[in-house]
Amino acid sequence: DVKVTQSSRYLVKRTGEKVFLECVQDMDHENMFWYRQDPGLGLRLIYFSYDVKMKEKGDIPEGYSVSREKKERFSLILESASTNQTSMYLCASSLLARPTLAQFFGPGTRLTVL
Amino acid sequence: AQTVTQSQPEMSVQEAETVTLSCTYDTSENNYYLFWYKQPPSRQMILVIRQEAYKQQNATENRFSVNFQKAAKSFSLKISDSQLGDTAMYFCAFMGYSGNTGKLIFGQGTTLQVKP
Repeated sequence: DVKVTQSSRYLVKRTGEKVFLECVQDMDHENMFWYRQDPGLGLRLIYFSYDVKMKEKGDIPEGYSVSREKKERFSLILESASTNQTSMYLCASSLLARPTLAQFFGPGTRLTVL
Repeated sequence: AQTVTQSQPEMSVQEAETVTLSCTYDTSENNYYLFWYKQPPSRQMILVIRQEAYKQQNATENRFSVNFQKAAKSFSLKISDSQLGDTAMYFCAFMGYSGNTGKLIFGQGTTLQVKP
């Protein structure tokens, strides 16, 4: 059974803290994605990566950075968390050669910044 | 830039009945892919159905089917014989063909409640 896992389901942090969200997939996928999900806005792409150490900005990269040191792991970093980053964060992965088949999603991390 | 619009924030349907969720999109590309994803409460998002724009035939997956109107840029999802397990948020998504990097553009989502 294919899997995308995220390090935490719920996370509470304080304004100004550095926050790490981890995502791991076991499907040997090249593509990995970070989205944030907000009511009425759907999913918006923050960053994606199509290979180790490669990254590209999505639609809303401001305030975020990413790291991909290993193929199976893609980390989202909030350098200095702010209250407007309170959201649900979803990680996804897909095959580089067959990106149109599907993206596989993790369970999400609900982050609250106080 | 491509956009995807779901104009129905919430819908409800009685168990065993049929419901249709709407989605429109805007693109200048001729080849692309469209998807419907389902996000059950507190559970992971999964792919429901996928349509390739160059195929005229509407995709079907068991009780789920789409009505793809390319000229109108419309991509609705029909759920037949609704079941309680269909209660979820449904997202319509677009993927361009040119320079395909696997990026998806999502609509705002429609929350569907199936009532017993």
